[in-house]
Amino acid sequence: AQSVTQPDIHITVSEGASLELRCNYSYGATPYLFWYVQSPGQGLQLLLKYFSGDTLVQGIKGFEAEFKRSQSSFNLRKPSVHWSDAAEYFCAVTGNDMRFGAGTRLTVKP
Amino acid sequence: DAGVTQSPTHLIKTRGQQVTLRCSPKSGHDTVSWYQQALGQGPQFIFQYYEEEERQRGNFPDRFSGHQFPNYSSELNVNALLLGDSALYLCASSLRQGSTDTQYFGPGTRLTVL
Repeated sequence: AQSVTQPDIHITVSEGASLELRCNYSYGATPYLFWYVQSPGQGLQLLLKYFSGDTLVQGIKGFEAEFKRSQSSFNLRKPSVHWSDAAEYFCAVTGNDMRFGAGTRLTVKP
Repeated sequence: DAGVTQSPTHLIKTRGQQVTLRCSPKSGHDTVSWYQQALGQGPQFIFQYYEEEERQRGNFPDRFSGHQFPNYSSELNVNALLLGDSALYLCASSLRQGSTDTQYFGPGTRLTVL
């Protein structure tokens, strides 16, 4: 079965600094990969997704992610973080069903 | 265009009771999936409904059951509640059967079991 690992439980960055959130997946076939964001007490909002094609995908709110098959990774990036980006971020992979990582909590310092 | 809606927002129950949660999918979607998200964890897949039938199921006991109606809305039922069932329950909808289709999530129902 597929699985997702998000190695960083909590990351703190300064406002305006760049951000990279790591995601590693395990799946035997070509994965379908997603990044979702969750604000406290809220549901999940889709940031971006990768199905096939260009390995660099653009999402909403200025986020992008790069699929690297050789590294089984799908890291999320943003060049300049805003205070409103503080939230929990989840990477997910689909196979027979959708599997989520444990999440990375992002704190943004003023 | 209405997104995924869930009711109620919050719910408090006691051990042994039964609970029903409701979900209306995004307009045009015909598939509904349910997830359990315990505090500090990622969502865990419970099951998926399409054409009024359970198509896929995660590793959850039979106490968890569901239903999908002809208008594609869905219910999640949990019997004999345990303290460990306390969680945020998320509903997600997609266009057709298959977890490869993009899922859109509702705001969730917070269930507390005392």
